[in-house]
Amino acid sequence: NAGVTQTPKFRVLKTGQSMTLLCAQDMNHEYMYWYRQDPGMGLRLIHYSVGEGTTAKGEVPDGYNVSRLKKQNFLLGLESAAPSQTSVYFCASRKTGGDGYTFGSGTRLTVV
Amino acid sequence: GDSVTQMEGPVTLSEEAFLTINCTYTATGYPSLFWYVQYPGEGLQLLLKATKADDKGSNKGFEATYRKETTSFHLEKGSVQVSDSAVYFCALSIGPTGNQFYFGTGTSLTVIP
Repeated sequence: NAGVTQTPKFRVLKTGQSMTLLCAQDMNHEYMYWYRQDPGMGLRLIHYSVGEGTTAKGEVPDGYNVSRLKKQNFLLGLESAAPSQTSVYFCASRKTGGDGYTFGSGTRLTVV
Repeated sequence: GDSVTQMEGPVTLSEEAFLTINCTYTATGYPSLFWYVQYPGEGLQLLLKATKADDKGSNKGFEATYRKETTSFHLEKGSVQVSDSAVYFCALSIGPTGNQFYFGTGTSLTVIP
């Protein structure tokens, strides 16, 4: 089925380690987003992209980097993980002119 | 700034009860309004939307009406089922490309048999 696929689904990191979360969509959507979800805080936007080769900061970008080298992929990197980055990360995409997002199923990241 | 405020949870209802989850918004322009649902262990799914004042979005027995005069978009369902247990998020999008998207903090609903 078409949609947004996130890998991995679960990960445990040690403080200071690095990792990359991959988001892939096969709907030819222009816009892609990375959110984090924390209890009592809803979803907060980390970074987003309005097209291939472009990225922009969201509400909580510190400690994260992103890349959009291909239209269908949006990568979220943590260079030096911290316990404060323990969260559930969601990727989403949206087509140009479209209103709603399509979300992936999430990545649960624990930093110890 | 633009924002969404939704009622605090958790909400616990008996099966077949009436559901209302309140959502109000603040926006400088004319937003589109959405309700998303998140089932346990899954991502958010679009439940319904409304793009202009007085529009009513509906899906799976849920309804919400875009009320500009009260800046509200309350979610209602006449008879909830156990399968409706989930977290519900109100959201708005605004801006020339709709790229500014704001979510509420979510309301957890548990329906008991």
